Amino acid sequence: AQSVTQLGSHVSVSEGALVLLRCNYSSSVPPYLFWYVQYPNQGLQLLLKYTSAATLVKGINGFEAEFKKSETSFHLTKPSAHMSDAAEYFCAVSVGISGGYNKLIFGAGTRLAVHP
Amino acid sequence: GAVVSQHPSRVICKSGTSVKIECRSLDFQATTMFWYRQFPKQSLMLMATSNEGSKATYEQGVEKDKFLINHASLTLSTLTVTSAHPEDSSFYICSARDWRAGRPGRPNTEAFFGQGTRLTVV
Repeated sequence: AQSVTQLGSHVSVSEGALVLLRCNYSSSVPPYLFWYVQYPNQGLQLLLKYTSAATLVKGINGFEAEFKKSETSFHLTKPSAHMSDAAEYFCAVSVGISGGYNKLIFGAGTRLAVHP
Repeated sequence: GAVVSQHPSRVICKSGTSVKIECRSLDFQATTMFWYRQFPKQSLMLMATSNEGSKATYEQGVEKDKFLINHASLTLSTLTVTSAHPEDSSFYICSARDWRAGRPGRPNTEAFFGQGTRLTVV
């Protein structure tokens, strides 16, 4: 079964510091992976997605993620944290369901705090 | 990107009553929508997959008679929490995928999320 594991439920960084949010996947087939961000009491917004085209994926707001098959990882990074990056981040994998459609399975989430 | 609108954003209801939550795709057709439940400081738990014109597919452990899903059109899915109890209080989020980018079922298509509904049962 396909799944994702996010290491670290809370990450705290200083403004301007590197952001690294970890995600490892488990999949018997080539995975399609996503990173979403959620601000308080809101829905989810897509940051970026891996669809087997390029292993280094660039997303919005300066975020990027690298797909590493050998490590079964898809970690999210940003060179310099901004206060507005404080939010909950979810890694997700697309799983096939009946009828040819796919559903998203989410990791537990990582809460990013950015302090001055 | 495509827009998914969810209404209401907040609702407070009395125990024993029913509450309906609407999820609309505003600028695309969504043959499939997904309903999630999120407990405080936790991840999203998929409740069911809503299919236009047919019965919803529920995840294991989700009560079909408790959480009624109707997907009457290509742009609207509704979730009705029947006979609500305090333990049903939660954040409910819907999502839809825009299949216009390719054939239905492409796993790399982005899912667009509604703003979520905060349900409080008192």
